[in-house]
Amino acid sequence: NAGVTQTPKFQVLKTGQSMTLQCAQDMNHNSMYWYRQDPGMGLRLIYYSASEGTTDKGEVPNGYNVSRLNKREFSLRLESAAPSQTSVYFCASSDTGYGYTFGSGTRLTVV
Amino acid sequence: AQSVTQLGSHVSVSEGALVLLRCNYSSSVPPYLFWYVQYPNQGLQLLLKYTSAATLVKGINGFEAEFKKSETSFHLTKPSAHMSDAAEYFCAVSDGGATNKLIFGTGTLLAVQP
Repeated sequence: NAGVTQTPKFQVLKTGQSMTLQCAQDMNHNSMYWYRQDPGMGLRLIYYSASEGTTDKGEVPNGYNVSRLNKREFSLRLESAAPSQTSVYFCASSDTGYGYTFGSGTRLTVV
Repeated sequence: AQSVTQLGSHVSVSEGALVLLRCNYSSSVPPYLFWYVQYPNQGLQLLLKYTSAATLVKGINGFEAEFKKSETSFHLTKPSAHMSDAAEYFCAVSDGGATNKLIFGTGTLLAVQP
């Protein structure tokens, strides 16, 4: 089925560990996004990529890095995880003027 | 800068009653407006979108929203609530530009009582 695939679905990290969240879309969309969702705060944009080869900071980029590997894939990396990064992470893709298609999310806990 | 405000973090209605979820936006350019729904432990699903065509937008599952420029509002309604409508609803705004960044509201959790 067409859509956005995120891996892993769940992850527990210790403070200071690193990890990469993977995201892939098969809809040939130009733009891809990473959001985090926290209770009472809605979704906040971490990083986005308007097209292959470009990435830009969103509202809450500190502590994260991204890579737009190709048109399909957009990964999010936590270099040194902190408890404040405990959240649900969503990847999304879109074409200009249209709504997003979201992945099912990654639930990350940092202890 | 664009922003959205969702009034009421929790809304409770009886099954069969009118659903009204409020969203006000701020935008310096003609906005694109969206409503998304999130069921427990799932991703977000697009309910409907406004992209400067008809001001009354019909979406999935019987929901609709009306764009009112004078009130800077884009409230979501459904005439008769169903138990399956219980979920969290997010309003979002975009400038529709090349980056198509969406700015989300903080969400409204809808409970439907039998």
